[in-house]
Amino acid sequence: DQQVKQNSPSLSVQEGRISILNCDYTNSMFDYFLWYKKYPAEGPTFLISISSIKDKNEDGRFTVFLNKSAKHLSLHIVPSQPGDSAVYFCAAGPSGGYNKLIFGAGTRLAVHP
Amino acid sequence: GAGVSQSPSNKVTEKGKDVELRCDPISGHTALYWYRQSLGQGLEFLIYFQGNSAPDKSGLPSDRFSAERTGGSVSTLTIQRTQQEDSAVYLCASSRTSGGGYQETQYFGPGTRLLVL
Repeated sequence: DQQVKQNSPSLSVQEGRISILNCDYTNSMFDYFLWYKKYPAEGPTFLISISSIKDKNEDGRFTVFLNKSAKHLSLHIVPSQPGDSAVYFCAAGPSGGYNKLIFGAGTRLAVHP
Repeated sequence: GAGVSQSPSNKVTEKGKDVELRCDPISGHTALYWYRQSLGQGLEFLIYFQGNSAPDKSGLPSDRFSAERTGGSVSTLTIQRTQQEDSAVYLCASSRTSGGGYQETQYFGPGTRLLVL
């Protein structure tokens, strides 16, 4: 049973446009959500996070939106740049306790000129 | 400062052999995690260490998998009698002390790519 789902395995976007990556979760105990970015042959690197007390968190070109009622979050990248081409993982976990994160399968983003 | 390091970066082994994967966390990080990523899959939690507490082994897929963390720092993940389905990228992450009602960012190493023939 996948508790965190990224239904789009890949996404192609033109440079300068907006990239929108989506993630759905099923466990209502999750109240902390993160996005990680992974380049080939490297480990995932933390990108941005959001707690359930917020519905939006912004960091430069990256914004994460959380819709708790729909159990859905999304990552917006604007404007998209070729260097953003990577695999993006959504992760979720409960606050309190420890950081046992559940990861989605990832979405491969390709930003082309 | 140095990030999380893992060794070896690649490992090819024959079915039935034992393998050991090593993780050096970021200095001062008390929490250490092992994940694996099979082809086309997300990161699967394996085991978690926090300081001197008993590890959470709930993610280990079978009793062929074990891990230890010596001196609260370096960790070794051991897979005994490897099977072809063990082929995956094994990722280690560390973070500062977790708990207290909030999440600490996990920093990942580059992973060990294990191929079982």
